[in-house]
Amino acid sequence: SQQGEEDPQALSIQEGENATMNCSYKTSINNLQWYRQNSGRGLVHLILIRSNEREKHSGRLRVTLDTSKKSSSLLITASRAADTASYFCATDMGGAQKLVFGQGTRLTINP
Amino acid sequence: ETGVTQTPRHLVMGMTNKKSLKCEQHLGHNAMYWYKQSAKKPLELMFVYNFKEQTENNSVPSRFSPECPNSSHLFLHLHTLQPEDSALYLCASSQGGSKETQYFGPGTRLLVL
Repeated sequence: SQQGEEDPQALSIQEGENATMNCSYKTSINNLQWYRQNSGRGLVHLILIRSNEREKHSGRLRVTLDTSKKSSSLLITASRAADTASYFCATDMGGAQKLVFGQGTRLTINP
Repeated sequence: ETGVTQTPRHLVMGMTNKKSLKCEQHLGHNAMYWYKQSAKKPLELMFVYNFKEQTENNSVPSRFSPECPNSSHLFLHLHTLQPEDSALYLCASSQGGSKETQYFGPGTRLLVL
């Protein structure tokens, strides 16, 4: 079964509102990453948070990590139409030498 | 632009054809990856190369054959594919191991008829 699972699968909000997406995983990790994908394009890296970090910021993005609950959240504040995309979390599954991606959250920002 | 390019961007092929996908990274990274992205499925890792050596083959059918002539170039040779192989094929690169930030190309949209 996959390592990371995003929730919700789809999210639709009005421009200007905040969007929160969650990721849960099963095994221990060294780091967790969030990526964005516009329709039919490649993935773009957003943030990497290491297992000894609890929160990280990048512009309008805020990522939290709770290793005790094996979960992470991505918050996008003051959303814009250009934020419409799919968002994926990826984990390294501890000792595994690869990233495992979830199925993603499809975010739609309505003008 | 992420510094990773892929060609062609779109490809239509019959089941008896042979074609190749090309990926080039301009970032000086030592690791390169092939992923398959199908509708309704998570991104699937296919192959990993570190310093031109294949370090991961994720149980990929032999009709997919990767080639990595140097650290900057990665190919995926395709032959006798099936319609279920239709997908978006993504190339990525990273500096250091697979756990670090990966930089993706725009992908090749493949349709097998």
